[in-house]
Amino acid sequence: NAGVTQTPKFRVLKTGQSMTLLCAQDMNHEYMYWYRQDPGMGLRLIHYSVGEGTTAKGEVPDGYNVSRLKKQNFLLGLESAAPSQTSVYFCASRLGLAVNTDTQYFGPGTRLTVL
Amino acid sequence: SQKIEQNSEALNIQEGKTATLTCNYTNYSPAYLQWYRQDPGRGPVFLLLIRENEKEKRKERLKVTFDTTLKQSLFHITASQPADSATYLCALVNDYKLSFGAGTTVTVRA
Repeated sequence: NAGVTQTPKFRVLKTGQSMTLLCAQDMNHEYMYWYRQDPGMGLRLIHYSVGEGTTAKGEVPDGYNVSRLKKQNFLLGLESAAPSQTSVYFCASRLGLAVNTDTQYFGPGTRLTVL
Repeated sequence: SQKIEQNSEALNIQEGKTATLTCNYTNYSPAYLQWYRQDPGRGPVFLLLIRENEKEKRKERLKVTFDTTLKQSLFHITASQPADSATYLCALVNDYKLSFGAGTTVTVRA
């Protein structure tokens, strides 16, 4: 099993450009999450999905959109990138809600710089 | 508002000593709490989960306590080794989501 993978690993954008980050998991997990991590601020939830075809807003959703057309994939889009979106982005997945299935598995991260 | 606070200072300790990390929370009533380890340039990795009715949980050299009255969890690394150097994150269950603290960076000197 590859676990959770993220594409790309690094990206530099200019202000106003758009891009899509791809997250894929091969563990048949229902729940998927996108976080951003900034120095001193910990992981902040951007959007999440509780199943194929569903998405919901997290703590910091502005400027981002997501889609979960297939169970194994969760896409994060930036329509018009801003320097404030410079960050490291992590995707995570989780099997279910029960306490013994609650562990989140994280991808390796995407380092995004917006100039 | 809800808050999760971890030791703001980085922890530097000598090999063999015990590192103790603190996670305090406000305006949460979590059924359980998790601890994760994060190495530089990598995603967090799950370490331990402790339920609200458990006072203490152990896994090898790791020990976690959970005091719902104090709203606090303590994370101990005993007989620390340089390989334990990393950032440690606590996380609380919040509906479908986990909310994370900012993390405490531990450096173990040989």
